[in-house]
Amino acid sequence: AQSVTQPDIHITVSEGASLELRCNYSYGATPYLFWYVQSPGQGLQLLLKYFSGDTLVQGIKGFEAEFKRSQSSFNLRKPSVHWSDAAEYFCAVGLSNFGNEKLTFGTGTRLTIIP
Amino acid sequence: DSGVTQTPKHLITATGQRVTLRCSPRSGDLSVYWYQQSLDQGLQFLIQYYNGEERAKGNILERFSAQQFPDLHSELNLSSLELGDSALYFCASSLGGEQYFGPGTRLTVT
Repeated sequence: AQSVTQPDIHITVSEGASLELRCNYSYGATPYLFWYVQSPGQGLQLLLKYFSGDTLVQGIKGFEAEFKRSQSSFNLRKPSVHWSDAAEYFCAVGLSNFGNEKLTFGTGTRLTIIP
Repeated sequence: DSGVTQTPKHLITATGQRVTLRCSPRSGDLSVYWYQQSLDQGLQFLIQYYNGEERAKGNILERFSAQQFPDLHSELNLSSLELGDSALYFCASSLGGEQYFGPGTRLTVT
């Protein structure tokens, strides 16, 4: 069964600083990988996805992530964070079978931005 | 706005009761997924329907059931509610690949 590990429960960064959120996955086949963001009291918004091809994927809000098969990682990065980026971030892995792509989520990383 | 709608937004009910949560997927999406988000369990997949048929089951209790109707909307039925069922319940839809999530229904069991 697939699993996702987000080793950092809580990260605090200064506004304008760079950000990297870590995600490691365990899956026997080629995974579909996702990053979602959840603001307090809100649903999950898709930031970006990796299915195949270029291992560096660009998403919304200036985020990017890099798929590294050798490290089973899919880390999320942003060069300069804004106060509005404060939220909870979830990494997820999905099955690569069309019609059945249930997601397995990590436990999330809470991002706090300080002025 | 993801295009996925869920009703109601909030639900407060007593132990032992039964509730129904409703989800309308994005236009054109055939798959509907239900997830439960709680503090102790995190985000857990419950069940998936694809074009009216059950496709996959996750950690869904026997007291919970779901269905997808011909117009593709879905309902999640929770019965014999317990305090531990208090959680945020999300619906997501997809055509294949990425899933788009609704705003969720916050269920409080008292």
